[in-house]
Amino acid sequence: KNQVEQSPQSLIILEGKNCTLQCNYTVSPFSNLRWYKQDTGRGPVSLTIMTFSEDTKSNGRYTATLDADTKQSSLHITASQLSDSASYICVVIFSGGGADGLTFGKGTHLIIQP
Amino acid sequence: GAGVSQSPRYKVAKRGQDVALRCDPISGHVSLFWYQQALGQGPEFLTYFQNEAQLDKSGLPSDRFFAERPEGSVSTLKIQRTQQEDSAVYLCASSLQGWIPGNTIYFGEGSWLTVV
Repeated sequence: KNQVEQSPQSLIILEGKNCTLQCNYTVSPFSNLRWYKQDTGRGPVSLTIMTFSEDTKSNGRYTATLDADTKQSSLHITASQLSDSASYICVVIFSGGGADGLTFGKGTHLIIQP
Repeated sequence: GAGVSQSPRYKVAKRGQDVALRCDPISGHVSLFWYQQALGQGPEFLTYFQNEAQLDKSGLPSDRFFAERPEGSVSTLKIQRTQQEDSAVYLCASSLQGWIPGNTIYFGEGSWLTVV
């Protein structure tokens, strides 16, 4: 069964610090990988979309990396802000599958403390 | 509207009651998804529409769950005879066309269902 595992489950850091969230997957064959930010009580918002051929993609203070060989992705947040407090969800999509092939991780719950 | 709109935002239902959750996707978006998200978990797939065609309903947990999109725009997720385990956030998402890399999937704010 295709799976997406995220770590850590939760993380607390001080404002201004950097952090890295991990996503490991067993989805095969791979099509693309997405990171979403979900504020408490809100719907997920897209941060990045990465394909097989991309190994790094940035969106402001967010930088996602992808190693398709080891099936790992990371989301690095630079100079964290209080507004970064949210759950970060990794979504992996395998090619040739139906809509149920969009496999969601359980998310990393990030808390930024002042 | 500019984004995916869902209503009601919050719903409290008595066990056994029927509920209907509405989703207005972004105008022109062919693809529409429904997800169920339990507290502290990632979204779980329920069903997928391409225009008015329900192409995948493999995630619907029981025959009490029914979804439709009769005119290829607005969609309704109906839950009959609600049970406590149905309590969750129901997320609707839409995209221009499926999940190919160039297509962002946009989510609504969700409908929070509590069954008491």
